[in-house]
Amino acid sequence: QVQLQESGPGLVKPSGTLSLTCTVSGDSISSVNWWTWVRQAPVKGLEWIGETYHSGSPNYNPSLKSRVTISVDKSKNQFSLRLTSVTAADTAIYYCARDSRTGMDYWGRGIRVTVSS
Amino acid sequence: EIVLTQSPATLSLSPGERATLSCRASQSVDTYVAWFQQKPGLAPRLLIYDASNRATNTPARFTGSGSGTDFTLTISSLEPEDFAVYYCQQRSGWPPAVTFGGGTKIEIK
Repeated sequence: QVQLQESGPGLVKPSGTLSLTCTVSGDSISSVNWWTWVRQAPVKGLEWIGETYHSGSPNYNPSLKSRVTISVDKSKNQFSLRLTSVTAADTAIYYCARDSRTGMDYWGRGIRVTVSS
Repeated sequence: EIVLTQSPATLSLSPGERATLSCRASQSVDTYVAWFQQKPGLAPRLLIYDASNRATNTPARFTGSGSGTDFTLTISSLEPEDFAVYYCQQRSGWPPAVTFGGGTKIEIK
């Protein structure tokens, strides 16, 4: 059974950097899938942040591209999100997901991140 | 960026009724549309991919259709567990970009 688990700080200071990790089990990070980050601000819809393939080659939401980095650690079967210069608008639940040829079929439970001083 | 517009924002229906949800793309996305169900406090769950293919464990009462710019998710007879928010999502272009619709909430009438 494929499982994804987000981890990282739940509180980040304004202008700081948000760093999250997604640990994948039941599948290899080197498999033929895109590894994705999606977020959901309070009482809002879903927003795609970006994705990466195991070889690198990330794709980012154009509205976040200047602040986002998604990377892979094959040795730990993990992928990570780094979002710089955060503001209150970045407060959200952050999900990691596997995007296979048949859609975003496995999701983590999500991690709530608040940007506040 | 391709914009997905979902309508209506809210559907008020009773169990056993038919639900029809619409998703319109600002330009053609071929059939690269998926549908998700989200319940409070939970991650989204994939229902439909490539416009009309049911994901694993998706009940047969859920049907996706459409191509190009107009897509529909139909729930033939609502069960109590179907009251939730539904999102459409597209993946297209190069470099690939993903966008979600704003969501349709199905509430109990």
